[in-house]
This record gives sequence, structure tokens and C-alpha cells, in this order.
Amino acid sequence: EVQLVQSGAEVKKPGESLKISCKGSGYSFTSYWIGWVRQMPGKGLEWMGIIYPRDSDTRYSPSFQGQVTISVDKSISTAYLQWSNLKASDTAMYYCARHGEEPFDIWGQGTMVTVSS
Amino acid sequence: DIVMTQSPDSLAVSLGERATINCKSSQSVLYSSNNKIYLAWFQQRPGQPPKLLIYWASTRESGVPERFSGSGSGTDFTLTISSLQAEDVAVYYCQQYYSTPWTFGQGTKVEIK
Repeated sequence: EVQLVQSGAEVKKPGESLKISCKGSGYSFTSYWIGWVRQMPGKGLEWMGIIYPRDSDTRYSPSFQGQVTISVDKSISTAYLQWSNLKASDTAMYYCARHGEEPFDIWGQGTMVTVSS
Repeated sequence: DIVMTQSPDSLAVSLGERATINCKSSQSVLYSSNNKIYLAWFQQRPGQPPKLLIYWASTRESGVPERFSGSGSGTDFTLTISSLQAEDVAVYYCQQYYSTPWTFGQGTKVEIK
């Protein structure tokens, strides 16, 4: 079965760092882009960026450039989204999704990140 | 960035009736070299991740019921649910994947009247 499995919910304090993960299985991980999408509570979908695991080619939305880092470890078929200085405004659900010939055809279950003092 | 604008923000439709959602892009998402329209539609049910319904503006994803259809060209697109079912209650998003950032519309909430 083709799937993306994300790491569990996180509760952090402002200023802390965090790295969440997205593990692909059931397909050739290096042949598809992996994107990250933010959904703030009660709001719509925001495209954050995307990475190609084969060569780590990464594209960021200008809205998120410099705020997060997208990376990948292709040896374990896992993509990452990380923050070095969390803010309360980073509180959101974060989804990873696979992109190939079909856009975002497989989604992870989501990782809820709560940032609160 | 390409701005995607959906209308309406919400609509209520009776079971078995047609639901129509519109999406307008601020610039063309047609790639002339391959004549493909880089426009997708997603469904997000409450508490669930989004699900791909339509890509290339009108190609139905495998397993998606035939009552869902996409149309449009240039900068104006439509998602139609021909006969609304109870399980179609959700928020629907259009997305362009023509150029990064691959922007989403703000979403349209579909409810039962």
C-alpha cells in the first residue's frame, strides 16, 4: 500500500526548535516530490514548499522561506520539516503529500503542532 | 504568486441536486508546450487530510465517483457535483501547480440544505 506516515503531535514552547517527519512506503520514494502544506486552525490550505528526494532539489513559498527548512533522508525514505525558533503563530496542522504525474495524490495523516507558553 | 479565488465561499445544496464551485486564477495555468492545464481540485472532509479529486483541470482521480467533474480553461475553472450525496459534505479547494508556490484557493464549504 502506498502511504505517507507522519510523526505524532507536538507541544512546544515559543523559541524552541522542532523537526517533524513524513515517511513514505509502498512506492519508489526518490521518484516523487514531497510537499508540505500548513493548515492553521479553522483555515485553508497553504503550500509551504516541496523537495525532490533524489537530489534534494527544494522550492519554498516566499511566505515560508527562511522560516522553515525542508530536508530529506532518502536512505530511510523520510522527509522532514523543521523550525529553529517556533512562534505561537506556527500552531497548525502540517501535512506532507506526494507529487508526481498527479499532484498531491497521496497525503499523510497530518501532524498537529501546538506552540504555547 | 498566482492568486486563486474561489466562489462562493459556501453553498448549501439539497441531496441529489447539483453543486457548482468556481475557481479563478490570476494568470493562465495552461502550459502551452504540452497543452496541459495545471489545475487540481481537492476535497477535505472534517478531521481528514485533503483528497485529490481532479487534476489537469478535468481528469478524475482513480476511484473518485463520476458525479465529480472538472472543467474550464485559461483562468476560469469549475468543479461540479452532479448529484450531491451526504458524504460530499466537505470543503473543496482548487490548486494551481503551474508555478511555485503552488497556491490554493481559499476553499468552498459545501453543506446539505
